[in-house]
Amino acid sequence: KAGVTQTPRYLIKTRGQQVTLSCSPISGHRSVSWYQQTPGQGLQFLFEYFSETQRNKGNFPGRFSGRQFSNSRSEMNVSTLELGDSALYLCASRAGSYSSYEQYFGPGTRLTVT
Amino acid sequence: EDQVTQSPEALRLQEGESSSLNCSYTVSGLRGLFWYRQDPGKGPEFLFTLYSAGEEKEKERLKATLTKKESFLHITAPKPEDSATYLCAVHRLNQAGTALIFGKGTTLSVSS
Repeated sequence: KAGVTQTPRYLIKTRGQQVTLSCSPISGHRSVSWYQQTPGQGLQFLFEYFSETQRNKGNFPGRFSGRQFSNSRSEMNVSTLELGDSALYLCASRAGSYSSYEQYFGPGTRLTVT
Repeated sequence: EDQVTQSPEALRLQEGESSSLNCSYTVSGLRGLFWYRQDPGKGPEFLFTLYSAGEEKEKERLKATLTKKESFLHITAPKPEDSATYLCAVHRLNQAGTALIFGKGTTLSVSS
């Protein structure tokens, strides 16, 4: 079974621009979560989508948004980029059943804001 | 406030030298504790889930245990390929969805 895929893998943007990252979950998984990883803060939860609905949101500004499509693929968008948004953005998928909470991560998108 | 603390931050071992990594947590009701391994430039790789105090899980040279306040990842006779950052995360009860709270990780280096 193919794992979680994320595109693009690397991205360089300028301050003030916006960016869209894409995530395809493991086949059959209905839940997709997004995390930001930086050397200083570690892994921090951004939001989770399940069946096209946002179920949970972390403490990030409104510039960070996301959505999920009917095929469970997800995108996250960051508007008005700031230097501090430079990070590894990780997507994780979960089957979505109440008996299992394991999340499986993709390789991440490395975003550099200059 | 929910918190996950991992220690030590970094650990250097000789091949074959067993040791343990610690993950202590304060959370208002634990639904599950997760261990991940992360290699440089890659996403975290799922290792174990522990749900209740006293539970243990093993995989090759790794064994994870859970108490009411902490979890240990025991590494027996490590090899250089075990070098990675090991992350601990918790999922708390009464929370919609699955928002994991991660520790900062322990970076393990095993030399031959």
